[in-house]
Amino acid sequence: QVHLQQWGAGLLKPSETLSLTCAVYGGSFSGYYWSWIRQPPGKGLEWIGEISHSGSTYYSPSLKSRVTISVDTSKNQFSLNLSSVTAADTAVYYCARTTVTRYFDFWGQGVLVTVSS
Amino acid sequence: DIQMTQSPSTLSASVGDRVTITCRASQSINSWLAWYQQKPGKAPNLLIYKASSLESGVPSRFSGSGSGTEFTLTISSLQPDDFATYYCQQYYRFSWTFGQGTKVEIK
Repeated sequence: QVHLQQWGAGLLKPSETLSLTCAVYGGSFSGYYWSWIRQPPGKGLEWIGEISHSGSTYYSPSLKSRVTISVDTSKNQFSLNLSSVTAADTAVYYCARTTVTRYFDFWGQGVLVTVSS
Repeated sequence: DIQMTQSPSTLSASVGDRVTITCRASQSINSWLAWYQQKPGKAPNLLIYKASSLESGVPSRFSGSGSGTEFTLTISSLQPDDFATYYCQQYYRFSWTFGQGTKVEIK
């Protein structure tokens, strides 16, 4: 059974860096990509970026300048850093297992990140 | 980016109704489309992939169809557990994009 558990700071000030980590339990870590997806309150889903087990990354063009996704294969974990946050980055952030064809078959529980001065 | 447009945005229906949600892509995506169900306060849950393949464990009342630019998600007989928001997602071309969602409400 695959389970994704995520954590990180839930309240940030403008200009700070958002940092979240997702741990993967069960299943293969190397056979998949690993994504971050966010959802502003009351709105739809936005894909942020993904990483392979070998560290290859792909980012959304709209966020690419501020996003870094990294992986720690020794712990079956991957992380998201989003720099220079503003109120527009307030959202629930999800981690998700991504198939090789790029749909999302298992999700973390989500973490609400609020950016407020 | 490929734009995904769902209709309707909100749908009111009763238990037992047949429900259809449409998703249109701004260009052809072949069959590279997934559908998700999301309940309030929860993460999305995969229902359908490759336009019509049912994910393991998903009830057979859910079905998907379509190819190219037009796709549908059908619930053959709406159950109380199905009142939720549904999203489509294309994975034909980077970057992966979602529709804006369709909320299925109790009539």
